[in-house]
Amino acid sequence: AQKVTQAQTEISVVEKEDVTLDCVYETRDTTYYLFWYKQPPSGELVFLIRRNSFDEQNEISGRYSWNFQKSTSSFNFTITASQVVDSAVYFCALSPGGSGNTGKLIFGQGTTLQVKP
Amino acid sequence: EPEVTQTPSHQVTQMGQEVILRCVPISNHLYFYWYRQILGQKVEFLVSFYNNEISEKSEIFDDQFSVERPDGSNFTLKIRSTKLEDSAMYFCASRGGGLQETQYFGPGTRLLVL
Repeated sequence: AQKVTQAQTEISVVEKEDVTLDCVYETRDTTYYLFWYKQPPSGELVFLIRRNSFDEQNEISGRYSWNFQKSTSSFNFTITASQVVDSAVYFCALSPGGSGNTGKLIFGQGTTLQVKP
Repeated sequence: EPEVTQTPSHQVTQMGQEVILRCVPISNHLYFYWYRQILGQKVEFLVSFYNNEISEKSEIFDDQFSVERPDGSNFTLKIRSTKLEDSAMYFCASRGGGLQETQYFGPGTRLLVL
């Protein structure tokens, strides 16, 4: 079965705190793709990052960083020095990559992050 | 920067009515998708479309739903006879080439069925 679990439903932090959003996935495919999307209060889905299953290199983009570990099937997302504008729902998603797959995204339940001033 | 657009942004309809949600994918993209998000819940896959045909559909995508790419630019989702439980945000997405490419989402259409 293909599944994404975001166990943290809601997280509340104070501005400038670091926060990590957890994502655990399940798939039998050896090739797959992982994504993070941000959904601000306005409702659109904003792409943040894509990771291929064969590339476990961690990535940093400004205050954002991602830790991909195949051994634990996790793809966690850390925001350093959080800001009020980071308040949003964050979705982790999996796209199976094997033969016959159509590229559909399987989303986790989302984590609502509230950053208080 | 190219983007996916969707119209209308909001639609209110009566139960049993037909609705058509419209999307204009990014122009050189080849793969198209519809997802829905019931308020407060996760985003769920509905259907994928490639080469003018459905390539995959979920259990949600029953006979009341259909998709079409009528003119090479628009991509539409039709719900034939809406139900209360169809109330949701509907997102269109498109992707360029291989599976490794990113799906980009439109801003969504908020559908309310009364």
